[in-house]
Amino acid sequence: SQKIEQNSEALNIQEGKTATLTCNYTNYSPAYLQWYRQDPGRGPVFLLLIRENEKEKRKERLKVTFDTTLKQSLFHITASQPADSATYLCALDNTGGFKTIFGAGTRLFVKA
Amino acid sequence: DADVTQTPRNRITKTGKRIMLECSQTKGHDRMYWYRQDPGLGLQLIYYSFDVKDINKGEISDGYSVSRQAQAKFSLSLESAIPNQTALYFCATSDPSGEQFFGPGTRLTVL
Repeated sequence: SQKIEQNSEALNIQEGKTATLTCNYTNYSPAYLQWYRQDPGRGPVFLLLIRENEKEKRKERLKVTFDTTLKQSLFHITASQPADSATYLCALDNTGGFKTIFGAGTRLFVKA
Repeated sequence: DADVTQTPRNRITKTGKRIMLECSQTKGHDRMYWYRQDPGLGLQLIYYSFDVKDINKGEISDGYSVSRQAQAKFSLSLESAIPNQTALYFCATSDPSGEQFFGPGTRLTVL
């Protein structure tokens, strides 16, 4: 069955360091992959989308890589700040936007 | 004003009651979705709609029904609520690019 795996353990890092979150998937051929940020009690907020033919995408302090051979995406936040503390969700879609599947998310804590 | 709104934001009800959760959007998108989120689990798709005349079941549609009253409105109903439907419910919209815009969520508790 299709499966998306994100590290269920929280990631704790020091302010100023780079946070790296991992998203692995199996039995899936996504047309694109997205990353969302979710704060407690709030709806997810879109961050970045990367397509299957793209290796890397950047937006300000964020960088996403997408390796369809390894079936893995890495999400990096450089120069992390306490305000980056949140849960980050990976989402895959192989239907051209018709139906997106979300991972359970990884909780990030950035300490000052 | 928020692009996607949900009402109510919190609801406590009893087993067997009928509940309706409402969603409105001002994005002008044709595509709308209902998800539920449980602690430690990813968002699970309940129903999705690509326009007023198109409604499709998601992964976990049993026990739920929906109504797309207009392009901007998509309601979720629990015909006879049960305790394992206690969860956080999100409505979302998307454009053809795939980016989804979520509402603030409805916290539903079924006693």
